Amino acid sequence: AQKITQTQPGMFVQEKEAVTLDCTYDTSDPSYGLFWYKQPSSGEMIFLIYQGSYDQQNATEGRYSLNFQKARKSANLVISASQLGDSAMYFCAMRTPIQGAQKLVFGQGTRLTINP
Amino acid sequence: DTEVTQTPKHLVMGMTNKKSLKCEQHMGHRAMYWYKQKAKKPPELMFVYSYEKLSINESVPSRFSPECPNSSLLNLHLHALQPEDSALYLCASSLGPTPEINSPLHFGNGTRLTVT
Repeated sequence: AQKITQTQPGMFVQEKEAVTLDCTYDTSDPSYGLFWYKQPSSGEMIFLIYQGSYDQQNATEGRYSLNFQKARKSANLVISASQLGDSAMYFCAMRTPIQGAQKLVFGQGTRLTINP
Repeated sequence: DTEVTQTPKHLVMGMTNKKSLKCEQHMGHRAMYWYKQKAKKPPELMFVYSYEKLSINESVPSRFSPECPNSSLLNLHLHALQPEDSALYLCASSLGPTPEINSPLHFGNGTRLTVT
């Protein structure tokens, strides 16, 4: 069975510092996808970044980058130059194929607080 | 602004009421999803529609009844709910249902449901 683990329930970071949110996963499928979502208090799940299991390079999207270490089964999110607006809940998720569709399995999440 | 629109944003209903949640997207996505999220927990998959047909039901109680009238609309009909069904209900869509398409799920802002 697929499993996502986020070991940091909460993190506090000073504004403008870089922050790394940890995510490890477990799957026996050779093909999988890993996603990071941001959920502000408003409730919307905002897609941040995607990494495919066969991608050779780490994904980057603006201030977001994904440190993908396949052998260690980790996919940590790095946010550079953090901003107050980055304060939110962050979920790591893995896409798994099921019955001709795709299912996202989420980790427990990390609540990030950016301090001024 | 999210491209997946959910209405209403908030809903309070009694245990004997019948209500419906609505979700709409105009991105041409062919897969649509309902997720349930309890406070301080990750979203949990309820239903998946693929090309307007129900492809996944994650053993959801029959008091929740999904409907996909067309490729842009997804409804969740609610009847005889329990207080423990109070949660944030998130709708999502993706480009396609098949695992080969590495497109992210796009989520709406959710409906905060309270059952009294």
